[in-house]
Amino acid sequence: DVKVTQSSRYLVKRTGEKVFLECVQDMDHENMFWYRQDPGLGLRLIYFSYDVKMKEKGDIPEGYSVSREKKERFSLILESASTNQTSMYLCASSSSRPPRLANNEQFFGPGTRLTVL
Amino acid sequence: AQRVTQPEKLLSVFKGAPVELKCNYSYSGSPELFWYVQYSRQRLQLLLRHISRESIKGFTADLNKGETSFHLKKPFAQEEDSAMYYCAIFSYFNKFYFGSGTKLNVKP
Repeated sequence: DVKVTQSSRYLVKRTGEKVFLECVQDMDHENMFWYRQDPGLGLRLIYFSYDVKMKEKGDIPEGYSVSREKKERFSLILESASTNQTSMYLCASSSSRPPRLANNEQFFGPGTRLTVL
Repeated sequence: AQRVTQPEKLLSVFKGAPVELKCNYSYSGSPELFWYVQYSRQRLQLLLRHISRESIKGFTADLNKGETSFHLKKPFAQEEDSAMYYCAIFSYFNKFYFGSGTKLNVKP
């Protein structure tokens, strides 16, 4: 069974704290993604990675950084959490293998609801 | 730039009624479109992809390049269809751009 796991379902942090959100996939996928999900805004891509130690900015990278030291793990880091980063964070992974990239669906984790006070 | 628009935030229908969730896109190239669904307290999952031309749980979606649309349809809605639905377009590096989502509420 396909599995993407996220380290926490719920997290409460204070303004200014450094926050780590961890995501692990066991499908040997090359691509991993971090989104935030907000009502009325849908899913917005923060960062993604298509290989170990590779990272690319998404649409809203400001205030975030990522780390991918191992293929199965992709971490999202909030260097100094702010209240406007209160959101649901979703991790996803997908394969780059043939025959067709566009057929390779993204598999999502259960999400981490982060509240920054 | 690739964009996906879902004009309805909320769609309420009665059980047994037809349902159509709208999705319009902008894309310079040959688009690859998908519908994802998130049921209450479950993770987001793929519902269907246009290239497969499949029907999943009674839902179908046809890509209309002339109208740049990929509306999701079901002739007879069921209560278990109540969920959040996201239209998405595939981009390079296996990225997806998602719409803002439509919450479907099927009333008994």
